Amino acid sequence: QKEVEQNSGPLSVPEGAIASLNCTYSDRVSQSFFWYRQYSGKSPELIMSIYSNGDKEDGRFTAQLNKASQYVSLLIRDSQPSDSATYLCAVNTGFQKLVFGTGTRLLVSP
Amino acid sequence: EADIYQTPRYLVIGTGKKITLECSQTMGHDKMYWYQQDPGMELHLIHYSYGVNSTEKGDLSSESTVSRIRTEHFPLTLESARPSHTSQYLCASSVPGTELFLEQFFGPGTRLTVL
Repeated sequence: QKEVEQNSGPLSVPEGAIASLNCTYSDRVSQSFFWYRQYSGKSPELIMSIYSNGDKEDGRFTAQLNKASQYVSLLIRDSQPSDSATYLCAVNTGFQKLVFGTGTRLLVSP
Repeated sequence: EADIYQTPRYLVIGTGKKITLECSQTMGHDKMYWYQQDPGMELHLIHYSYGVNSTEKGDLSSESTVSRIRTEHFPLTLESARPSHTSQYLCASSVPGTELFLEQFFGPGTRLTVL
């Protein structure tokens, strides 16, 4: 079992819809969780971080964390074609390193 | 947000050459990282550093080496490049004072092609 698992996609949503991206992790002692956006050929860009159970909102983005279920998600409201990218989930398992998932490719159609 | 610089951005080189990929950050971050990423594939940690004179190997075995003589500089060296080294190399650093949370910020990357 991989430490951080994501559906590779692609996840296709129409413009204006809510995109829901999911991530599960295996290590129960994981302490902090991050979502990165990576456009093709570019480097990852940090868009959200979450450390406590519940929801954290930043603009059109909402991160949700459920440590009991070892599950973290990212919701993108009012999706735009410019949101089309690969979204990487990363987990800090407590060894001062991040473990990255393989990413979910999101396609937002006009 | 960190300012992280990588040079060169693109490098095409022949087999057997020695190369050094440069990474610098201007924010005084202690922790720095090198990742390798093939197109469409996941990030793999190949080296990291907690500070000056500290270097550790990452989760993916790599024939590269790193050094950390200055806080702001974390170069990666390949003594003899091979076609299997063709990949994108990403440098990152994390904000001090966030050891628990470990937000990492990435440089623009170096795309290496070995012929």
